[in-house]
Amino acid sequence: RKEVEQDPGPFNVPEGATVAFNCTYSNSASQSFFWYRQDCRKEPKLLMSVYSSGNEDGRFTAQLNRASQYISLLIRDSKLSDSATYLCVVTLNNAGNMLTFGGGTRLMVKP
Amino acid sequence: DVKVTQSSRYLVKRTGEKVFLECVQDMDHENMFWYRQDPGLGLRLIYFSYDVKMKEKGDIPEGYSVSREKKERFSLILESASTNQTSMYLCASRSTGVYSDTGELFFGEGSRLTVL
Repeated sequence: RKEVEQDPGPFNVPEGATVAFNCTYSNSASQSFFWYRQDCRKEPKLLMSVYSSGNEDGRFTAQLNRASQYISLLIRDSKLSDSATYLCVVTLNNAGNMLTFGGGTRLMVKP
Repeated sequence: DVKVTQSSRYLVKRTGEKVFLECVQDMDHENMFWYRQDPGLGLRLIYFSYDVKMKEKGDIPEGYSVSREKKERFSLILESASTNQTSMYLCASRSTGVYSDTGELFFGEGSRLTVL
């Protein structure tokens, strides 16, 4: 079993739709959680951190469920520019050098 | 504007050649990383460094070595390139600090290596 798992997709959604991705992690000692976005042929960039109480940034909402060991990303009112691969990242320690990436979920938003 | 610069965007090498991939960051970050990214396998950590002259193996260090002689520069070396090392190589850096750690990794644009 992979340490961090994501559905690779692709998720094909129309503009304006709401879409959600999950990411499961196997190590219950995981400390910190993040969502990164990677555009085609580009490097990954931080989208948002995931806090225990859940957090929102505009159309994006991230949540953490420690009991079930998953994090989620919800995108409301999808835009064409949201088309990308979304990577979840889990860290095992506060030093930040034990990061594990999920394989990514590809989102395609269609007109 | 923060920046991680990788020396080559595209390289084509022959089996057995020595390959150097260089990475420079201008953010005075302590931690630097080398990943490779392959379809279906995601990003896998090759090596990381948490200080000058310090290095730690990641998940897939075999066939690679690294060098960190200066804080801003982290080099990945393939002593004898093989076809299974054809991949996208991504360098990243990150600040440490318990109270200021946002978790953000800053990536370079990547180096796409093809080994023939």
